[in-house]
Amino acid sequence: DAKTTQPNSMESNEEEPVHLPCNHSTISGTDYIHWYRQLPSQGPEYVIHGLTSNVNNRMASLAIAEDRKSSTLILHRATLRDAAVYYCILRDPFNTGKLIFGQGTTLQVKP
Amino acid sequence: NAGVMQNPRHLVRRRGQEARLRCSPMKGHSHVYWYRQLPEEGLKFMVYLQKENIIDESGMPKERFSAEFPKEGPSILRIQQVVRGDSAAYFCASSPMKLAGDFTDTQYFGPGTRLTVL
Repeated sequence: DAKTTQPNSMESNEEEPVHLPCNHSTISGTDYIHWYRQLPSQGPEYVIHGLTSNVNNRMASLAIAEDRKSSTLILHRATLRDAAVYYCILRDPFNTGKLIFGQGTTLQVKP
Repeated sequence: NAGVMQNPRHLVRRRGQEARLRCSPMKGHSHVYWYRQLPEEGLKFMVYLQKENIIDESGMPKERFSAEFPKEGPSILRIQQVVRGDSAAYFCASSPMKLAGDFTDTQYFGPGTRLTVL
């Protein structure tokens, strides 16, 4: 499975945008880029996913580099409730769909 | 539509006892995944099941662990003769019926069962 690299931790101020980077230089042509997050003492929660084009939903935006070797999850206005561990995951659509979690990025949001 | 339900939420067992963890997927979902999160570690895939079938058990320990997803009722993760190293949070996730060969859809996670082995 292709690997992802994320910073261990990041900090943000409330109401400001947050850009969470992810490197995946060994991504294959069929791998989808998924983001999940895990709030304290809860199960992971789907955030967004994409293949080649940038994606937007009510939670976040996903910006994917043209060569697909990196991507950025964008939270447009961080709130205290966004404090969580964010996981960038590559999903091989032909590999039973299991999620391979890395260490993720712990996001702290300061009031 | 209720989310993924897991019970119990907390389970305490003594070494050597059996632990049974239950997962009820979202309505209409026929695919279940189990993951384990050891203290201070990331989530690790354990097993993927469809109704009455184990599809991928590549993450399951070879001994003492088993999983099932019967035609009726919840999915069960069973740990026999628990040891202290089994203490962890166990999460299940469900996803809807997939198109053949398409594994890109969202997984919906339950709140987890926190197992403590004394």
